Amino acid sequence: GESVGLHLPTLSVQEGDNSIINCAYSNSASDYFIWYKQESGKGPQFIIDIRSNMDKRQGQRVTVLLNKTVKHLSLQIAATQPGDSAVYFCAENMKGSARQLTFGSGTQLTVLP
Amino acid sequence: NAGVTQTPKFRVLKTGQSMTLLCAQDMNHEYMYWYRQDPGMGLRLIHYSVGEGTTAKGEVPDGYNVSRLKKQNFLLGLESAAPSQTSVYFCASSSLTQPLTDTQYFGPGTRLTVL
Repeated sequence: GESVGLHLPTLSVQEGDNSIINCAYSNSASDYFIWYKQESGKGPQFIIDIRSNMDKRQGQRVTVLLNKTVKHLSLQIAATQPGDSAVYFCAENMKGSARQLTFGSGTQLTVLP
Repeated sequence: NAGVTQTPKFRVLKTGQSMTLLCAQDMNHEYMYWYRQDPGMGLRLIHYSVGEGTTAKGEVPDGYNVSRLKKQNFLLGLESAAPSQTSVYFCASSSLTQPLTDTQYFGPGTRLTVL
C-alpha cells in the first residue's frame, strides 16, 4: 500500500543552526499533512499542518513546505534549540478517509551544544 | 483541560492474559483512535471510532477489540495477550468540527510488555 516515508532516520545539528527534516509521500490523493514532535517517553505533539492547496505555512520558528509535484514535504526549524531534540514524524490524511492519518517512521533530531 | 489521558501508564502481562486500556478525553471530540508504536517505527492505527457506539478497524486490528460506550472514553482490549503485542499504545482524538484540520491530539501512551 501507499505510505509516508522519511529520507533520513537521524539528523544532528548545532545549536542555533537551522534544521530541515524531509518527508516523501506517495499517495497523490492525500490532501492534508501534519508534522508531529515526539519527545522520549511522551506522546506525539502537534507542530504544524498544511493543506494541499498551500505550498508553505509558517508557525513560530517552524515552516512547512509542500511540493506536490514531487510529493515532498519538509519541516524547517529556525535557530534550533536543545529542546527541539526529539523524533519528528510526518503524517498524511487522504480525503474521505475518515480522518485516518498515515505516519512515517520518524527522524531523530539531535541538537549539539 | 486534561486533554487525552491513558491508564495505565505501564503494564506487564503474561502470554494469554487479558487486559483493557482506557483512554479518556475531555475535549468533546467525536473521533478517537488507538495506535501502537514499535521501536524505530511510526504509529500504526489499530482501531478507531467516529462517534459514540461506533468502531472501525484500522491497519493492524487483529488481536484487539475496542468499545466506545461513552463519547469521552475509548477502550482497547486484548483478550489473549501475545509477545507480539509488546508495544507502546497511544490514544488520540480529533474534532469533527475543527475548521480545515484533521489534527489528532495524543495521550501520553501506555507501555505494555507481554512475557
